[in-house]
Amino acid sequence: EAGVTQSPTHLIKTRGQQVTLRCSPISGHTSVYWYQQALGLGLQFLLWYDEGEERNRGNFPPRFSGRQFPNYSSELNVNALELEDSALYLCASSLGTEPTDTQYFGPGTRLTVL
Amino acid sequence: AQSVTQLGSHVSVSEGALVLLRCNYSSSVPPYLFWYVQYPNQGLQLLLKYTSAATLVKGINGFEAEFKKSETSFHLTKPSAHMSDAAEYFCAVSEGGGYNKLIFGAGTRLAVHP
Repeated sequence: EAGVTQSPTHLIKTRGQQVTLRCSPISGHTSVYWYQQALGLGLQFLLWYDEGEERNRGNFPPRFSGRQFPNYSSELNVNALELEDSALYLCASSLGTEPTDTQYFGPGTRLTVL
Repeated sequence: AQSVTQLGSHVSVSEGALVLLRCNYSSSVPPYLFWYVQYPNQGLQLLLKYTSAATLVKGINGFEAEFKKSETSFHLTKPSAHMSDAAEYFCAVSEGGGYNKLIFGAGTRLAVHP
């Protein structure tokens, strides 16, 4: 069974540009989560989507947004990139919506903002 | 608000020695706790989780953790370290109440030397 997949693997952008990151959950999983892992800031929750709806949002500015498609894949969009957006962006999926449900993580997309 | 503290950002052990990685949590409600491992340039892999069943939880790769409510701790142990255990380990608490986000500790980097 395929795990969570993310694309692209690496991305280099300049300040002010916009970027879209993509995530495909494990087959059968309806919930998708996004986390940011930045140097010095650790792992921080960004967004949670389930059944196409945004269910929870972390403490990030509105230029971070996303959506979930009918096939449960998801996109994370970041507008007006800033240097501090450089990070590993991790996507995870879970089978259910309980807090005890395991979140399975993808390999991440490394974003570098110059 | 829930939080997680991991004591020791770096731990070094000899191959064959006991591994002990410390995690303390703060939560006003019964917590759901997780340990994840991250190998270089990879995503997170679940080692084990506590969901209010047995207080001693066994995970993959010989790891286990014990939930101690009186000490608000969920330390991770392995009786005998292997070179392949070298990685970064994250303790996390799941925020319930329908929010489902994982709140991570800062991580502990484990080094295993011959």
